[in-house]
Amino acid sequence: DGGITQSPKYLFRKEGQNVTLSCEQNLNHDAMYWYRQDPGQGLRLIYYSQIVNDFQKGDIAEGYSVSREKKESFPLTVTSAQKNPTAFYLCASTKGWGHGYTFGSGTRLTVV
Amino acid sequence: SQQGEEDPQALSIQEGENATMNCSYKTSINNLQWYRQNSGRGLVHLILIRSNEREKHSGRLRVTLDTSKKSSSLLITASRAADTASYFCATAPGAHSGGGADGLTFGKGTHLIIQP
Repeated sequence: DGGITQSPKYLFRKEGQNVTLSCEQNLNHDAMYWYRQDPGQGLRLIYYSQIVNDFQKGDIAEGYSVSREKKESFPLTVTSAQKNPTAFYLCASTKGWGHGYTFGSGTRLTVV
Repeated sequence: SQQGEEDPQALSIQEGENATMNCSYKTSINNLQWYRQNSGRGLVHLILIRSNEREKHSGRLRVTLDTSKKSSSLLITASRAADTASYFCATAPGAHSGGGADGLTFGKGTHLIIQP
């Protein structure tokens, strides 16, 4: 079955470390997205990519970086510049304009 | 900035009753979507309604859209315990702004609890 796989499910980061969250999809979708969700809050857009080798900043891109070298993969790196990284991170993809999003099951990142 | 805002923030009803959630937004949209999120999980797409549509049905779900009032409602009929979840509305901006490929904008959600 097609879908989006996020890994790991839980991730712990020490102060000053960079960590990378994985997002892989086998839906043949061009557009992929990273969202951040804080407790009791909605989702905020970090980065998105509409096509391979191209990506755009979302509303809260500071302290994050991404790459899109393959259609199937859109990894997110949380850098040490992100001062408050503890959150639930969700990856999504869509067939395109006018279609719903398919979400992964999320990665919960905690700073220790 | 958050485009959609759901109302109420939380809703508790008895199993079998109908649940209604509302969403208001600020700018023009191409479409509006509703998602469900179970605790600690990813979001699941429920239904999409386009700006030129007024009502849409999917099983026990009924969505309405009033673009003049910039509002939408989600009705879940004959609720079940399994409907307990958070429900989010998300808006895709108008065509001149990318139409949604630039990313949906989500509200903070309505937490629905179905009492057995």
